[in-house]
Amino acid sequence: QVQLQESGPGLVKPSETLSLTCVVSGASIISNEDWWSWVRQSPEKGLEWIGEVHHSGATNFNPSLESRVTMSVDKSKNQFSLNLNSVTVADTAVYYCARGRDFTWGYWGQGTLVTVSS
Amino acid sequence: QSALTQPASVSGSPGQSITISCTGTSSDVGGYNHVAWYQQHPGKAPHLIIFHVSNRPSGVSSRFSASKSGNTASLTISGLQAEDEADYYCFSYTSSTIYVFGTGTKVTVL
Repeated sequence: QVQLQESGPGLVKPSETLSLTCVVSGASIISNEDWWSWVRQSPEKGLEWIGEVHHSGATNFNPSLESRVTMSVDKSKNQFSLNLNSVTVADTAVYYCARGRDFTWGYWGQGTLVTVSS
Repeated sequence: QSALTQPASVSGSPGQSITISCTGTSSDVGGYNHVAWYQQHPGKAPHLIIFHVSNRPSGVSSRFSASKSGNTASLTISGLQAEDEADYYCFSYTSSTIYVFGTGTKVTVL
C-alpha cells in the first residue's frame, strides 16, 4: 500500500532553513496523476497547506509562504523535499507530507514535529 | 485566502446524528466540487472520510455523509459512536490554485 514518511531535523534555529524529506513507498513519484504536498499544523493556525510539487518540476504554493518555500522531487530516490527559509517561531508545527490525486489527498505521512528555537 | 469557517465544537449522545457546517465563498466551496472532509484523532495524521463533496473512500463507514449547498458544505455523522470523537476538518480547492482547510470542529460524544 502507499506509504509516506517524513524525515528531517526536529529543531531549527530562527533565521535558518527548515529542510524536510518525504520518502514514498508503494507508489511511483513520477506518476503524472499525482501532486506531492506539504501541510503543517500548529495550535495557532490549525491545518495550513504549504504547497505541492509535480514530478515535472511544476509547483504551486500558498501565497502566504511562497516567498520562502522551495520544493523538489528526487526521482532516483522516490522522494520529495521541502525547504522553508528564514524561519521564525511561528513556523513551529507538525509537518505532514501527502499525495494529491484528482484534488483528493488520501495518503498522508505520520507527521514530524519541527520546533524553531535558539 | 482565509480558512473556511467551522463551528469550534459539536457534541451528541451515542446513537444520535450531528452535522458540522463548513462555510466558504464562491471562490472555494461554492465554486468547485473539490470539497473534502478529514477526521483527525489526537496525535494522528488527518484521515480522508469524504472527497468530491459527498463521496466516501472505500472502508469509510456509511454513517458519514456529506453535501453542499451554495458556499456551505456539511458533514453528517449518523448513529454517533465513541470512536467518532475526534477533530474534523473540511478542505477545498480555490480559484487561486491553492487549497484551504477549515478551522476545525471538535466532536464530543457525551
